[in-house]
Amino acid sequence: AQSVTQLDSHVSVSEGTPVLLRCNYSSSYSPSLFWYVQHPNKGLQLLLKYTSAATLVKGINGFEAEFKKSETSFHLTKPSAHMSDAAEYFCVVSGSGGGYNKLIFGAGTRLAVHP
Amino acid sequence: DGGITQSPKYLFRKEGQNVTLSCEQNLNHDAMYWYRQDPGQGLRLIYYSQIVNDFQKGDIAEGYSVSREKKESFPLTVTSAQKNPTAFYLCASSPPSSEQFFGPGTRLTVL
Repeated sequence: AQSVTQLDSHVSVSEGTPVLLRCNYSSSYSPSLFWYVQHPNKGLQLLLKYTSAATLVKGINGFEAEFKKSETSFHLTKPSAHMSDAAEYFCVVSGSGGGYNKLIFGAGTRLAVHP
Repeated sequence: DGGITQSPKYLFRKEGQNVTLSCEQNLNHDAMYWYRQDPGQGLRLIYYSQIVNDFQKGDIAEGYSVSREKKESFPLTVTSAQKNPTAFYLCASSPPSSEQFFGPGTRLTVL
């Protein structure tokens, strides 16, 4: 069975400093992994996805994530936070849904960015 | 302009009342999904449909019903059997073996 754990429920950074949002996954086979972002009262937007190609994945808005199989991790990073990055972030693993791409969501990490 | 639309944005339900949330997509995706989001719990799958006229229960289907009469539309009905319906509801669609695309959501509140 697949599962995903986001290690921090809240992260607070100052504008211009690096961002690190941590995610560990469990999967019995090579998974597809995603990071989504959600601004308040909005839908989810895909930031980036890993689908067994390059282990370092670049996404939108300067975010990137590295797939580390030995550590079962898929942490999200950004070199310099912007005020507009304040949102909730979800790490997601694609499970074996018997023919459809079932997504399993982490509980989310709320990112606060301070001036 | 392609995408997923959900309506209404806000919905209020009285005790014992059924309400229907709309979800429409023009992305030509076969698969569509309904999720419920509660604070601090991520998203939980209510129902999904891989093709027209077919749908399956997700993890928390009790108290909900759906239909899939058209490829573009996947409405969700929250019935009076759902005892705690106050939540944010998200609809999504996807092509085969790919990421899901989400609508803007409907916030349902029980009065």
